[in-house]
Amino acid sequence: GDSVTQMEGPVTLSEEAFLTINCTYTATGYPSLFWYVQYPGEGLQLLLKATKADDKGSNKGFEATYRKETTSFHLEKGSVQVSDSAVYFCALSEQDYKLSFGAGTTVTVRA
Amino acid sequence: SAVISQKPSRDICQRGTSLTIQCQVDSQVTMMFWYRQQPGQSLTLIATANQGSEATYESGFVIDKFPISRPNLTFSTLTVSNMSPEDSSIYLCSVDRSGYGYTFGSGTRLTVV
Repeated sequence: GDSVTQMEGPVTLSEEAFLTINCTYTATGYPSLFWYVQYPGEGLQLLLKATKADDKGSNKGFEATYRKETTSFHLEKGSVQVSDSAVYFCALSEQDYKLSFGAGTTVTVRA
Repeated sequence: SAVISQKPSRDICQRGTSLTIQCQVDSQVTMMFWYRQQPGQSLTLIATANQGSEATYESGFVIDKFPISRPNLTFSTLTVSNMSPEDSSIYLCSVDRSGYGYTFGSGTRLTVV
């Protein structure tokens, strides 16, 4: 079945550091890929998505590229801020529209 | 994207009782999804609810424990029945609107004592 493997956390960074969270997937077809973010005490928000190979999703300075050859969708941000402290979830969806989530990565950015 | 209103936002319940969670969407959607997020864990799909048919449950979840209603295209409820402390989780509803991705409600934080 479908699965998502996500870099384990927690990750602690200083402000303006570069952030990468690795995500790889297993799917039978050609899934859509997502990154969701959960800020402390808040609900789950869609951060970015990509629906086909080589698509790049971007939002709020975050980027992720759908790499079919490596079955990956790594999340990156060039310069993080304290406000980026959150839990980040990689997820995929196939034709059945159900989302499969990774375990989540807790990111803490220190001033 | 769709706006989802979910309530209650949190509740503390006695073991053995039941809680019904409501999810209202601001537009008509075909499928609604219910997820559970146990403390410190990722999200797990409980079931998919289509209007006019019985919900489809994922492995490990059964209708007797988590009955779902879907009376129309903008509303659904999830009931957590005969609760035990192990049911303490955040429960979230979600919808998919083509082209916008999946939107989640703000969640119901349930504590069973």
